[in-house]
Amino acid sequence: NAGVTQTPKFQVLKTGQSMTLQCAQDMNHEYMSWYRQDPGMGLRLIHYSVGAGITDQGEVPNGYNVSRSTTEDFPLRLLSAAPSQTSVYFCASGEQGTDTQYFGPGTRLTVL
Amino acid sequence: KQEVTQIPAALSVPEGENLVLNCSFTDSAIYNLQWFRQDPGKGLTSLLLIQSSQREQTSGRLNASLDKSSGRSTLYIAASQPGDSATYLCAVNVGYSTLTFGKGTMLLVSP
Repeated sequence: NAGVTQTPKFQVLKTGQSMTLQCAQDMNHEYMSWYRQDPGMGLRLIHYSVGAGITDQGEVPNGYNVSRSTTEDFPLRLLSAAPSQTSVYFCASGEQGTDTQYFGPGTRLTVL
Repeated sequence: KQEVTQIPAALSVPEGENLVLNCSFTDSAIYNLQWFRQDPGKGLTSLLLIQSSQREQTSGRLNASLDKSSGRSTLYIAASQPGDSATYLCAVNVGYSTLTFGKGTMLLVSP
């Protein structure tokens, strides 16, 4: 099993550009989520999904869109990048019942 | 709103010491609590998960306790080693496997 994979590892954007951060898991987990990690702020939940076709907002959803068409994939879209979205983004998946969370290696995003 | 606090923010100890990291949370309505380790520039590795009905969990030199009614958890590391140097994160599951994190304790174990 590859676990949770994220691409790209690093990305630099200009203000106003859009992009999609990819996340995939091969453990057949129902739950997937996106977090951002900022210095002094810890990790904060952006969006989450409890299954294909079902998503909901977390603590800091503004400026981000998600969809979940398959169990395996949960992409995060930045609609119009802003410098405030400079952060490290982590994707996680979990299985109903055990609740252990598995995290991807992260995507380091810089918005100029 | 659930808030998670970790004390201390940073800790430096000599090798071999036993140490305790503290975590507190404001809302006792949690499903479970999880401790993670994060190395610089890396992702998160799950260390221990304690269900809300449990009091403690052990893995090797690590022991985590949970007092849900008082909103507290501790992570005990026995006989610390330089390889234990990392940031330790506490997180509570508030539903649907979504986590609220503390800001972490940065641990440095010197040889």
